[in-house]
Amino acid sequence: DVKVTQSSRYLVKRTGEKVFLECVQDMDHENMFWYRQDPGLGLRLIYFSYDVKMKEKGDIPEGYSVSREKKERFSLILESASTNQTSMYLCASSLGEVMGNEQFFGPGTRLTVL
Amino acid sequence: TQLLEQSPQFLSIQEGENLTVYCNSSSVFSSLQWYRQEPGEGPVLLVTVVTGGEVKKLKRLTFQFGDARKDSSLHITAAQPGDTGLYLCAGPVSGTYKYIFGTGTRLKVLA
Repeated sequence: DVKVTQSSRYLVKRTGEKVFLECVQDMDHENMFWYRQDPGLGLRLIYFSYDVKMKEKGDIPEGYSVSREKKERFSLILESASTNQTSMYLCASSLGEVMGNEQFFGPGTRLTVL
Repeated sequence: TQLLEQSPQFLSIQEGENLTVYCNSSSVFSSLQWYRQEPGEGPVLLVTVVTGGEVKKLKRLTFQFGDARKDSSLHITAAQPGDTGLYLCAGPVSGTYKYIFGTGTRLKVLA
């Protein structure tokens, strides 16, 4: 059974803290994605990676960075958390051979920044 | 810029009723996907439509891709409380591995 796991389901941090969100997939997928989901705005792409050590900015990369040192792991980093980064964060992966492949999502991390 | 607009945003219906959810764009997509997201979980793929005019059925759910591949619809027959959730359409961004998502339709089916 394919699986995408995220390190935390719920996280509470203080303004200015450095925050790490981890995502691991066991499907040997090339592509991995980080989205944030906010009411009325849908899913917005923060960053994605199509290979180890490769990354590309999505639509809202400001205030975030990512790391992909191993194929199965994709980390999202909030360098200095702010209250407007309170959101649901979703990680996804997909096979890289064909564009438009199914994405498999993790359960999400609900981050609250106080 | 490719955009996907979904309507309605919210839908609350009684068990047994039929409903249709729409996903529209002014851009052509090579394919469109429909996902369902339940509270506290990530979205799960329901179907991918690829060919203009294509109709796919998944039990009581019928998905259609517009002839011009700019829109799609999801029709649910005899809705059940288990159909409750957020329905999202998504399409690949041309020439990339990225996707864009619609804003979603939040469906609640009352017993």
